[in-house]
Amino acid sequence: DGGITQSPKYLFRKEGQNVTLSCEQNLNHDAMYWYRQDPGQGLRLIYYSQIVNDFQKGDIAEGYSVSREKKESFPLTVTSAQKNPTAFYLCASSIVGVDGNSPLHFGNGTRLTVT
Amino acid sequence: SQKIEQNSEALNIQEGKTATLTCNYTNYSPAYLQWYRQDPGRGPVFLLLIRENEKEKRKERLKVTFDTTLKQSLFHITASQPADSATYLCALFSGGYNKLIFGAGTRLAVHP
Repeated sequence: DGGITQSPKYLFRKEGQNVTLSCEQNLNHDAMYWYRQDPGQGLRLIYYSQIVNDFQKGDIAEGYSVSREKKESFPLTVTSAQKNPTAFYLCASSIVGVDGNSPLHFGNGTRLTVT
Repeated sequence: SQKIEQNSEALNIQEGKTATLTCNYTNYSPAYLQWYRQDPGRGPVFLLLIRENEKEKRKERLKVTFDTTLKQSLFHITASQPADSATYLCALFSGGYNKLIFGAGTRLAVHP
């Protein structure tokens, strides 16, 4: 079955440590995205990538970094510079780049807790 | 300022009734509006997309309307079932911002 796999589902880290969240897709989609979801708020865009080896900052990129070395993979690193990293992180993909006519396919998220 | 608003209070309805969820926006001119379903602890799942020049879209028991004058989209589930209980997110795409902007979602609870 085609889809997006995020791992791990739950992640615990100490403050001051960097942590990398994995996102893999086998849908052959060009575009991939990272969103953050906090209670009572809409999904907020962290980074997106429309093609391999290229990515753009979203609305809340500070304290995060990404890479897109392969079409299938778009890992997100939460660095120690992110002031409030505890959240539910969602990876998504779409057939083409940013285009309201292309639905997003989401993974099942990683819940990160930093203490 | 730009806002996209969904009712933050949960909607509780009886099985078999029609559920209607609202998505209001201000200061956007969306070209597309999308609706997603999200279950607890899982990622959103795409349901329907409606374009600015479409008034209504249907898929099985689901219907979406889009009124650009009222700046509002309504999402209807007819003959609702307990399995329809979830949080429903609306998202609009505005070419000026070149991204999808999500509402916070409305939780629907369908009671037997």
